[in-house]
Amino acid sequence: GAVVSQHPSRVICKSGTSVKIECRSLDFQATTMFWYRQFPKKSLMLMATSNEGSKATYEQGVEKDKFLINHASLTLSTLTVTSAHPEDSSFYICSARDLGTLDGYTFGSGTRLTVV
Amino acid sequence: GDSVTQMEGPVTLSEEAFLTINCTYTATGYPSLFWYVQYPGEGLQLLLKATKADDKGSNKGFEATYRKETTSFHLEKGSVQVSDSAVYFCALGDTNAGKSTFGDGTTLTVKP
Repeated sequence: GAVVSQHPSRVICKSGTSVKIECRSLDFQATTMFWYRQFPKKSLMLMATSNEGSKATYEQGVEKDKFLINHASLTLSTLTVTSAHPEDSSFYICSARDLGTLDGYTFGSGTRLTVV
Repeated sequence: GDSVTQMEGPVTLSEEAFLTINCTYTATGYPSLFWYVQYPGEGLQLLLKATKADDKGSNKGFEATYRKETTSFHLEKGSVQVSDSAVYFCALGDTNAGKSTFGDGTTLTVKP
């Protein structure tokens, strides 16, 4: 089935620095990918929809300048957390769907971000 | 807008007990319905899915039936194992927009 690879799986960074998270569709092309954030003991909240070759669509309340999304190719979307602060610490997960199948959305394994 | 209401947890069961986790949804159109599982420290894995009314999704002994009349997609397993301990998320997928709406998750702990 479709595989989505997310990297890194864990990252610790200092306050004020930026962190880039990659999401790759390994065996299919994804014109659209989705970025979610999961707070401790909470569900997943959609942050933004990443569109290949165009600007991302952000959900209400998500800061565009803090969470930069780039979808430069049909197999790669990146999320950059800029000027990270401890409150940005969270579990970030991406997903994509292989439109060539009737399968559901495939999720990456997630990235645990800790800002110290 | 679309929403998913999931049975609150945590749920604690003994091994070989019967499991039901309730899930109801509100949606426009005809969404697909999913159950995902998240093991400690890991990402989400698709457990099962159903794409239309009356479809039954099944995997690893888990089952759920897409009930349009009750807008439900309850997860069941006849005999749980310790290895089933995880967080379970019910979700609906907007086939056109491509994004998913999740329930709040139910933590299942199975004790030997």
